[in-house]
Amino acid sequence: DVKVTQSSRYLVKRTGEKVFLECVQDMDHENMFWYRQDPGLGLRLIYFSYDVKMKEKGDIPEGYSVSREKKERFSLILESASTNQTSMYLCASRNTGAGGELFFGEGSRLTVL
Amino acid sequence: AQTVTQSQPEMSVQEAETVTLSCTYDTSESDYYLFWYKQPPSRQMILVIRQEAYKQQNATENRFSVNFQKAAKSFSLKISDSQLGDAAMYFCAYLSNFGNEKLTFGTGTRLTIIP
Repeated sequence: DVKVTQSSRYLVKRTGEKVFLECVQDMDHENMFWYRQDPGLGLRLIYFSYDVKMKEKGDIPEGYSVSREKKERFSLILESASTNQTSMYLCASRNTGAGGELFFGEGSRLTVL
Repeated sequence: AQTVTQSQPEMSVQEAETVTLSCTYDTSESDYYLFWYKQPPSRQMILVIRQEAYKQQNATENRFSVNFQKAAKSFSLKISDSQLGDAAMYFCAYLSNFGNEKLTFGTGTRLTIIP
């Protein structure tokens, strides 16, 4: 079974803390994505990576950074967490190419107090 | 930039009945893909169905089918013989075929199945 694994299903952090969300895929996909999911807003793209050490900003990159040191791993970093970053974070991956399916992890629900 | 609109935040249907979820999109491109994804409660998002814009024939996957109207930029999902396991959030998504690997998602429709 193909898999995208997110390291934490639930996290509770305090304002100002540094937060790492880890994502690993076992499908050798070139492209990896971090989305944020909020009720009524759907999925919004934070960052994506199309190759190791390569990244591009999505629609809402402010307050976030990413790291992709290995092909299978894509990390989302909140340098200084704020309460408005309380959300569900979804990692996904897909191959480059026309119409390729996006595979998702189970999500990480982050609460910032 | 492309936009995807799902105008029905919530829908409900009786078990075994048919329901249609709406999706419209805005693009100036002629070659693209459209998707419906399903997110069951507390479970990961999975692909339901995919449509290539240059194919006129509507995609079908078992009980799931789409009505793709390219000129109207409409892409609705029809679920026939609804089952309890169909209860989920459904997201419509757009993918350009011009080198941009990003999917753009709608805001989702929560589907409830009434036993």
